[in-house]
Amino acid sequence: QSVLTQPPSASGTPGQRVTISCSGSNSNIGNNAVNWYRQVPGTAPKLLIYTNNQRPSGVPDRFSGSKSGTSASLAVSGLQSEDEADYHCASWDDSLNNWVFGGGTKLTVL
Amino acid sequence: EVQLVESGGGLVQPGGSLRLSCAASGFTFRTYAMSWVRQAPGKGLEWVSGISVSDGSTYYADSVKGRFTISTDNSKNTLDLRMSSLTAEDTAVYYCAKERYESSGFYFDSWGQGTLVTVSS
Repeated sequence: QSVLTQPPSASGTPGQRVTISCSGSNSNIGNNAVNWYRQVPGTAPKLLIYTNNQRPSGVPDRFSGSKSGTSASLAVSGLQSEDEADYHCASWDDSLNNWVFGGGTKLTVL
Repeated sequence: EVQLVESGGGLVQPGGSLRLSCAASGFTFRTYAMSWVRQAPGKGLEWVSGISVSDGSTYYADSVKGRFTISTDNSKNTLDLRMSSLTAEDTAVYYCAKERYESSGFYFDSWGQGTLVTVSS
């Protein structure tokens, strides 16, 4: 059971906008930044969004992140087939004194 | 270019031990924090352990505390994870990850390709 809660799956058609939620608590998301990682099955995770809403260089602006209270969201607009991957949210937890992750969301482009 | 290359994974019997290594290059190793993150087959990511390379502070997930030891060799730019009393629940791909800090927070900005640890008789 992951400390952060994500839906196991999400889907959309090409061109659509999809959002993936990540729910936590005051000890993690409520008090710390949220990061998102993209993982193509069989490969290593890769940083997608850091500190709630920042994109590393090379990440298209179709990807955006937001945070409100103890929840965060990842939005993917203009969905493309290559966006199919697993998406993981993460935050530091002050009570556990360690990083916590969501269970991951598998994004499917229909 | 940052490179993180893990090694040392393999098949180990329950109760056994294993040592993983991560060779780092392309950045000033001693100024960053590093972590091990694992992923069991078909599951999400789980942080295992972290170390502040500059001062040696270490952190462990409750699931591995007392069984795993994280360390670095700053002369060789390597990150190690010594694992003992292994159980089937430790079966996973183990990734090393470099932690970056900015005023707005911190995050893992680089990951290795992972090394598979299988605990089975």
